Amino acid sequence: GAVVSQHPSWVICKSGTSVKIECRSLDFQATTMFWYRQFPKQSLMLMATSNEGSKATYEQGVEKDKFLINHASLTLSTLTVTSAHPEDSSFYICSAIIYRDRLDFGPGTRLTVT
Amino acid sequence: QQQVKQSPQSLIVQKGGISIINCAYENTAFDYFPWYQQFPGKGPALLIAIRPDVSEKKEGRFTISFNKSAKQFSLHIMDSQPGDSATYFCAAKMGNTGKLIFGQGTTLQVKP
Repeated sequence: GAVVSQHPSWVICKSGTSVKIECRSLDFQATTMFWYRQFPKQSLMLMATSNEGSKATYEQGVEKDKFLINHASLTLSTLTVTSAHPEDSSFYICSAIIYRDRLDFGPGTRLTVT
Repeated sequence: QQQVKQSPQSLIVQKGGISIINCAYENTAFDYFPWYQQFPGKGPALLIAIRPDVSEKKEGRFTISFNKSAKQFSLHIMDSQPGDSATYFCAAKMGNTGKLIFGQGTTLQVKP
């Protein structure tokens, strides 16, 4: 069945480096994907909407130059955290519309910046 | 306007009891209301969802009650089990954008 996958599941990087997170739709095509961020014991906050073949739409307060989103194909969206700092440490989760209104989420990526 | 308010923040229920989580919204542009279950370190998983033209939906032990006039909806978990212990999020979808706005979450603990 339709599944949303993410890679890697966890990553540790040094402050100032960049890290890329992949979100893939398996067995279905996703023209739109969404990226969320979740801090410990908090809710999910929408960061941006990723549209295949066009620029991502960022939510208010999200730095588009820091969180680069590329949706190059119907099955892959990537989130690159550029010049990461400890405050960027979080749980990043992507999601995709499976059918009609149903939105399924990936397993998430735990980013730790040291 | 885009907020979804969820309560309670935490809930402790005995095994076999009923767990009830409530959510409220303001924006009438929301047209789809899902509930997600999330275990620590995992992504949220869809439990059950409802559209505003329906007042109740039941799937197994999970029931959503929806009150359109009051702009409120709730999740009822019947016969709660220790395996139901998790964080539950209500959400609301904004019109045709597909964007989901989440409530603050409820941590449920079911005691054996």
